[in-house]
Amino acid sequence: GAGVSQSPRYKVAKRGQDVALRCDPISGHVSLFWYQQALGQGPEFLTYFQNEAQLDKSGLPSDRFFAERPEGSVSTLKIQRTQQEDSAVYLCASSRIRKLNTEAFFGQGTRLTVV
Amino acid sequence: AQTVTQSQPEMSVQEAETVTLSCTYDTSESNYYLFWYKQPPSRQMILVIRQEAYKQQNATENRFSVNFQKAAKSFSLKISDSQLGDTAMYFCALGTSGSRLTFGEGTQLTVNP
Repeated sequence: GAGVSQSPRYKVAKRGQDVALRCDPISGHVSLFWYQQALGQGPEFLTYFQNEAQLDKSGLPSDRFFAERPEGSVSTLKIQRTQQEDSAVYLCASSRIRKLNTEAFFGQGTRLTVV
Repeated sequence: AQTVTQSQPEMSVQEAETVTLSCTYDTSESNYYLFWYKQPPSRQMILVIRQEAYKQQNATENRFSVNFQKAAKSFSLKISDSQLGDTAMYFCALGTSGSRLTFGEGTQLTVNP
């Protein structure tokens, strides 16, 4: 597709359940980012990939969060043993190259609700 | 550490009028970019305008322009001739080394007919 695609759009998980969120970036985009957006807040950085290399994971809130991009294209954000505080919209963004001024294109996000 | 502050949680404007959204930021880096993103109910973040910190000239994109005051670390967005489709959440963001973005808390803009 022409844009960043995320699936599923909505996910309801029971507390303690593991979830996997998928991001299909724009074809050929080198950089890929994950952000977490709590209700009524701005997005917060989680992690960054350049191709398949995870160069920055400083924003991951706990070791229950894990992200991968094994072939440098599709990325998966996995959350183990979900907690209520994990409820948020998870946004994925990609950009063509790693430069400060390069426009990052965002997907529509996955809204995760932990009950 | 980088911070971005948007002090106006909500704003409203009449269609065809002009509105200004405020943003202040803080960073110790000398090379950075500033962005305004629009987030409609569909949740997809859309880039509205960007400003390079080393450029003194304020960026302009059609009805959207910024007032970049580097010394004051201020970066406001002016929307002229507001349209109903401008109704959305607007986020100010700071891009520094590593390309990650630091976002503000957002301003919900409502354009009234």
